[in-house]
Amino acid sequence: QSVLTQSPSVSAAPGQKVTISCSGSNSNIGNNFVCWYQQLPGTAPKLLIYDNDKRPSGIPDRFSGSKSGTSATLGITGLQAGDEAVYYCGSWDSSLNARGVFGGGTKLTVL
Amino acid sequence: QVQLQQWGAGLLKPSETLSLTCAVYDGFFSDYFWSWIRQSPGTGLEWIGEIRHGESANYNPSLMNRVTISIDTSNNHFSLRLSSVTAADAAVYYCARHIVVELTDSRTADRYDYWGQGTLVTVSS
Repeated sequence: QSVLTQSPSVSAAPGQKVTISCSGSNSNIGNNFVCWYQQLPGTAPKLLIYDNDKRPSGIPDRFSGSKSGTSATLGITGLQAGDEAVYYCGSWDSSLNARGVFGGGTKLTVL
Repeated sequence: QVQLQQWGAGLLKPSETLSLTCAVYDGFFSDYFWSWIRQSPGTGLEWIGEIRHGESANYNPSLMNRVTISIDTSNNHFSLRLSSVTAADAAVYYCARHIVVELTDSRTADRYDYWGQGTLVTVSS
């Protein structure tokens, strides 16, 4: 069981906007920062968003992140076929065994 | 450009020891945490543990009795050993660079910004 909770799947048509949500608790998202990873088929996860809403160099501004309370959201606008992937949220968990934690992943299908 | 390149045996028998190594190129090796993460088929990401130069390793409590992570700063390598593997340990194993920033207000920002290519580990008799 993943520490952070994500919906298993989401779908949208090319050109549309989609949001992917991630839910946690006060020991992780509520009091720490959130990041998002994109995993294309057969590849390693790739950092997409960090510190809630920052994009690493090379990540287009079609991707955005936000956080409110113990939940976070990844937004993708202008959907492209190449965006079809599994998206994971991550955060630091400050409980007794402090560590990085992940969501279970959301599969994005571009229709 | 930071690169992580990993290698190790991909086919193990039950009860054997998994051994993987990750080489870091241009990654400011001494400054960061270096992590192992695994992904079982069809499931999400599971943090195994991590290490930083000059510090003891930290492990996932669920694996702590079987896992050892070591670091070789002279060669910019770090390694994973997982003993007594079973079918439940079959997964793709990744090494990754972990940035952890503790702010003055006690909040922590972390991210895995560079990943190895992954090693598929199969456990079969």
